[in-house]
Amino acid sequence: GDSVTQMEGPVTLSEEAFLTINCTYTATGYPSLFWYVQYPGEGLQLLLKATKADDKGSNKGFEATYRKETTSFHLEKGSVQVSDSAVYFCALSERDQGAQKLVFGQGTRLTINP
Amino acid sequence: NAGVTQTPKFRVLKTGQSMTLLCAQDMNHEYMYWYRQDPGMGLRLIHYSVGEGTTAKGEVPDGYNVSRLKKQNFLLGLESAAPSQTSVYFCASTQPAGGSYEQYFGPGTRLTVT
Repeated sequence: GDSVTQMEGPVTLSEEAFLTINCTYTATGYPSLFWYVQYPGEGLQLLLKATKADDKGSNKGFEATYRKETTSFHLEKGSVQVSDSAVYFCALSERDQGAQKLVFGQGTRLTINP
Repeated sequence: NAGVTQTPKFRVLKTGQSMTLLCAQDMNHEYMYWYRQDPGMGLRLIHYSVGEGTTAKGEVPDGYNVSRLKKQNFLLGLESAAPSQTSVYFCASTQPAGGSYEQYFGPGTRLTVT
């Protein structure tokens, strides 16, 4: 089946540093790709998404580009803030037995120090 | 518009006890999902539903049952709790239209089985 592999954490950076969290996927079709963020004690929130190759998703200064040739969807931000500390999940949508499902990576915990 | 809500937020069970987790959504979504989140393993799909009166097994269904008697509610039951079911449980919903299938998540239920 489809799968998502993302950069192992935890990742610790200083405020204003550049962030990259790698995500690669394996899929038989052409899935939509997502980044979700989970702040401490909360559920997952959609951060950004891309639905086809070469699409760029962006939100709150974060960006990710759907790269079909490298099967990747890396998350980047030019200057991180303490408030970006959270767990980040890469995910893809797959269609299985008539239902749409999300397949998640294992998550990357990000800590930003002031 | 509350989105997706989950009841209860926390629960401690003894081995062998039973309980039901309730998920409710007010977005008129067709699809609903139950996930469990364990450290280092991302989110794993337990059961899902593509509409009122329908349910299907996900990746890790053993030890759980579900029901979708009303479109807005999705119940997850544990008939005889085991310590291996200690986890954080998330409910999500989505509407299959528009192609992106992003899921909206509840705040989670933290369950401890002793």
